[in-house]
Amino acid sequence: DTEVTQTPKHLVMGMTNKKSLKCEQHMGHRAMYWYKQKAKKPPELMFVYSYEKLSINESVPSRFSPECPNSSLLNLHLHALQPEDSALYLCASSQAQLYEQYFGPGTRLTVT
Amino acid sequence: GEDVEQSLFLSVREGDSSVINCTYTDSSSTYLYWYKQEPGAGLQLLTYIFSNMDMKQDQRLTVLLNKKDKHLSLRIADTQTGDSAIYFCAESRNQAGTALIFGKGTTLSVSS
Repeated sequence: DTEVTQTPKHLVMGMTNKKSLKCEQHMGHRAMYWYKQKAKKPPELMFVYSYEKLSINESVPSRFSPECPNSSLLNLHLHALQPEDSALYLCASSQAQLYEQYFGPGTRLTVT
Repeated sequence: GEDVEQSLFLSVREGDSSVINCTYTDSSSTYLYWYKQEPGAGLQLLTYIFSNMDMKQDQRLTVLLNKKDKHLSLRIADTQTGDSAIYFCAESRNQAGTALIFGKGTTLSVSS
């Protein structure tokens, strides 16, 4: 089983809202990732968690706040987003960093 | 340069072979990957090759690696309309346990 699940599939939120994206994997992977993907572009790395600790933060604005409650779950908390934050948000996991990554289906976020 | 380069578009007829090319940048990259993304979906890991290999075959997929020229290719035999998608080449760079560096993606269009 190489499944990574993400909820919700679609999310529309206003600029004053607070919402969260969720990601789950049950493959025993110890590295989990958040990527942002704009239309017709490759994914851009946002955060990496390794063994439930934040390993990499690619200079992401503080309105995006990641959280790794346990080895299977990864959240991305959203607050005061801007319309330009509208994108597909992808979660991925891997056995450890530098191993092959498996992606979830993504959450399509629209900020109005 | 720093970028992973791919041609942007490829158009083939059903039943033909498709060859998607990629040039990567870091000669110390450990693994090189091919991902497929269908419209509105996440990234599907198709195959990957370790940097000390020249070739890897997996059913209709053949990956060729020329490490001297930093050139990677993906050949899809007997291309089907269901193969129409964006194909991303990616390298894992050995710097501080970073994640994947993606090319811009090649849009493969298969006509019947």
